[in-house]
Amino acid sequence: EPEVTQTPSHQVTQMGQEVILRCVPISNHLYFYWYRQILGQKVEFLVSFYNNEISEKSEIFDDQFSVERPDGSNFTLKIRSTKLEDSAMYFCASSEYRGDEQFFGPGTRLTVL
Amino acid sequence: KNEVEQSPQNLTAQEGEFITINCSYSVGISALHWLQQHPGGGIVSLFMLSSGKKKHGRLIATINIQEKHSSLHITASHPRDSAVYICAVTGGTSYGKLTFGQGTILTVHP
Repeated sequence: EPEVTQTPSHQVTQMGQEVILRCVPISNHLYFYWYRQILGQKVEFLVSFYNNEISEKSEIFDDQFSVERPDGSNFTLKIRSTKLEDSAMYFCASSEYRGDEQFFGPGTRLTVL
Repeated sequence: KNEVEQSPQNLTAQEGEFITINCSYSVGISALHWLQQHPGGGIVSLFMLSSGKKKHGRLIATINIQEKHSSLHITASHPRDSAVYICAVTGGTSYGKLTFGQGTILTVHP
């Protein structure tokens, strides 16, 4: 069964460093999403991506964040200069159609020291 | 901005019990999703519905659009059902962005 994959599963970084979180969505899906979940809190939307551009983003998704689909399979989230409060689980998701059921990756746990 | 509220926040049951988790939202939606999050953190979609009722195995989801309310029922609960159950909604004008509730932690004892 097709699935969304994410790498790495756990990333530890120093404050101020750049990190890139990687996702491989399901191959025939067209809509891609990043969400995050700070420990003990609810899941929050970061950004949606369609047709090689951002379609929607939240207030959290400021200039420190960027997304890219560098080739036909990968979908990346970059945080330019990490802060302590960026420590969270980051989930990638994809769907075939707009507003359709979303399939989630296993998440990347980001720890900023 | 849509607010999504779930109740209860924590639920403990004995194996075999019938379980109900409730979700209410504040603004009209295009669809409501029920998701399951396991202790390892992974999120799995259980249902997506915009009206009526859906059933999958021992799980049943219902939605009342007028009341802005949905319920997730688990019949004959089992310890393997122990997880966090999350309600999330998508708005009509969004590109599928999900707005999440805080989740209900379900523990089923043998």
